Amino acid sequence: DTAVSQTPKYLVTQMGNDKSIKCEQNLGHDTMYWYKQDSKKFLKIMFSYNNKELIINETVPNRFSPKSPDKAHLNLHINSLELGDSAVYFCASSQERWGLDISKNIQYFGAGTRLSVL
Amino acid sequence: QQQVKQSPQSLIVQKGGISIINCAYENTAFDYFPWYQQFPGKGPALLIAIRPDVSEKKEGRFTISFNKSAKQFSLHIMDSQPGDSATYFCAASRKGSSNTGKLIFGQGTTLQVKP
Repeated sequence: DTAVSQTPKYLVTQMGNDKSIKCEQNLGHDTMYWYKQDSKKFLKIMFSYNNKELIINETVPNRFSPKSPDKAHLNLHINSLELGDSAVYFCASSQERWGLDISKNIQYFGAGTRLSVL
Repeated sequence: QQQVKQSPQSLIVQKGGISIINCAYENTAFDYFPWYQQFPGKGPALLIAIRPDVSEKKEGRFTISFNKSAKQFSLHIMDSQPGDSATYFCAASRKGSSNTGKLIFGQGTTLQVKP
């Protein structure tokens, strides 16, 4: 059983289209995240949800809209896709945002969704 | 102040050698420092993590050394193996308002271990 699963694994689409990426975690964690990894492998946080509440919202174009229907799911919808949106998007989850017990801070990542905008 | 600087960008080590990757940070409020390992086509996976009240932590062949006064921490991979060939990321985060849990990643180091 995959702990953090993302679908689809690959997404190829035309500029201007709208697309969604889905994420599910079966770890019972309270916090979920979206990260973007660019072509140079740099990882940057985009959003974080804690118990379905948006906690972290980095400087991301408002074409990106996360939605958390429940604690186990965090989806990412992208409107009007641009060439610069091409990247690998990772979903992650952690038991807590911060805990005295270091193990509760661990963020578990999904396998990623490689988005290619043509 | 939010940056984590990682070096080297790439590293080639012979099998059995020691791989050393360094990271430096500026924000003294950071209080959690994990290292992640990423294989091609996979998501990052936690390797080892440390809090600043500990100067060293060892798990198997992997050791984190932490120097609070210098604001630096490093990953040492002893007896490096070809299977360790991957990209390694250091990261940092802190507790405090909306930034709690926000991981700031270093730029990554691509490690190649030659047989």
